[in-house]
Amino acid sequence: KAGVTQTPRYLIKTRGQQVTLSCSPISGHRSVSWYQQTPGQGLQFLFEYFSETQRNKGNFPGRFSGRQFSNSRSEMNVSTLELGDSALYLCASSLVQGFAGELFFGEGSRLTVL
Amino acid sequence: QQQVKQSPQSLIVQKGGISIINCAYENTAFDYFPWYQQFPGKGPALLIAIRPDVSEKKEGRFTISFNKSAKQFSLHIMDSQPGDSATYFCAASRSNSGNMLTFGGGTRLMVKP
Repeated sequence: KAGVTQTPRYLIKTRGQQVTLSCSPISGHRSVSWYQQTPGQGLQFLFEYFSETQRNKGNFPGRFSGRQFSNSRSEMNVSTLELGDSALYLCASSLVQGFAGELFFGEGSRLTVL
Repeated sequence: QQQVKQSPQSLIVQKGGISIINCAYENTAFDYFPWYQQFPGKGPALLIAIRPDVSEKKEGRFTISFNKSAKQFSLHIMDSQPGDSATYFCAASRSNSGNMLTFGGGTRLMVKP
């Protein structure tokens, strides 16, 4: 069974640009969550989608957004990139919503903002 | 913001020894406490989890101890092996918060042969 797939794995952007990251969950999983991982702030929750609806949102500015498609695939977008947005962005999928902890993480998309 | 505090930040243990990582939380509404293991270049993977209705859970060499009154929980790795060298994260969540986890800061474990 294929795991969570994230693309691209690495990307470099400059300040002010925008970026879109993609996540394909494990087949059959309907919940997709996004986390930001940085050395300074650790792992921080961005948002969660279930059945194409955003269910929860973390404390991130409006420049961070996401969506989920009918096939459960998800994208997140960061607009007007700042240096501090450099991070590993992790996507996690779960079979159901509301059973926190049983998340299956992808290997992440490492974003560098210059 | 709800916090989970994890210690130590790094830990060096000899092969065969016991690794102990501690976490403390503030929000008494948390009711699910998982531990994740992350190897370099990989995403975190669920290792073991506990709910506050039990004080201990053991899976193989990994044991979670939970102290509800102290709002603390810990991970014990018995007979630590070099292959256990990784970063460990404790986390906490509430039933009504979906799949939103609040993570501790992480502990980098190195098991020396």
